[in-house]
Amino acid sequence: ETGVTQTPRHLVMGMTNKKSLKCEQHLGHNAMYWYKQSAKKPLELMFVYNFKEQTENNSVPSRFSPECPNSSHLFLHLHTLQPEDSALYLCASSQANGGAGGETQYFGPGTRLLVL
Amino acid sequence: KQEVTQIPAALSVPEGENLVLNCSFTDSAIYNLQWFRQDPGKGLTSLLLIQSSQREQTSGRLNASLDKSSGRSTLYIAASQPGDSATYLCAVPSSGGYQKVTFGTGTKLQVIP
Repeated sequence: ETGVTQTPRHLVMGMTNKKSLKCEQHLGHNAMYWYKQSAKKPLELMFVYNFKEQTENNSVPSRFSPECPNSSHLFLHLHTLQPEDSALYLCASSQANGGAGGETQYFGPGTRLLVL
Repeated sequence: KQEVTQIPAALSVPEGENLVLNCSFTDSAIYNLQWFRQDPGKGLTSLLLIQSSQREQTSGRLNASLDKSSGRSTLYIAASQPGDSATYLCAVPSSGGYQKVTFGTGTKLQVIP
């Protein structure tokens, strides 16, 4: 257990559905991240939040909508997804230190998403 | 744009062997470099983090080195065990921001009993 939990662990949805992924960290960190891991491709950063504010959006399509109500919770709202969005979605957290170095990211177990 | 390459993509070794995994990156202006392991269908577990001012880090049977000038890092695993079987990923923050981490494609390791 890394102190980062994600629900659900598995999700199957149709292209017209709306669903949400949830991430919660119990580490007291101030930064949270969403990553996408597709088969045969490197892990891709999607969004970064620092102190609840979005600081990075890595050119992610608008059908993915993140929400960070507080430093411990992060959501990813999904709507009108495409089959190519099927992937493992990973959440991570860290204690942001302004680039001083040594900032380790702690990952949750991921949500395996299948879009039909 | 930072690019991270890991060689080999897959590796199969008998138990007890010492082995080296390689990671190369194109932009040497990095804050740090991190090695992770990922078990099938699961999240990532941090193994070692080397800050840009360091040349190596050790944890148990693992030793990671960093050569910023040549854009390379190696992960050395001593006396490999079947429990070491996993995918190993290296990751570096890009020059676009210290939290904007670029990952390699990983090396899938299988240690045969």
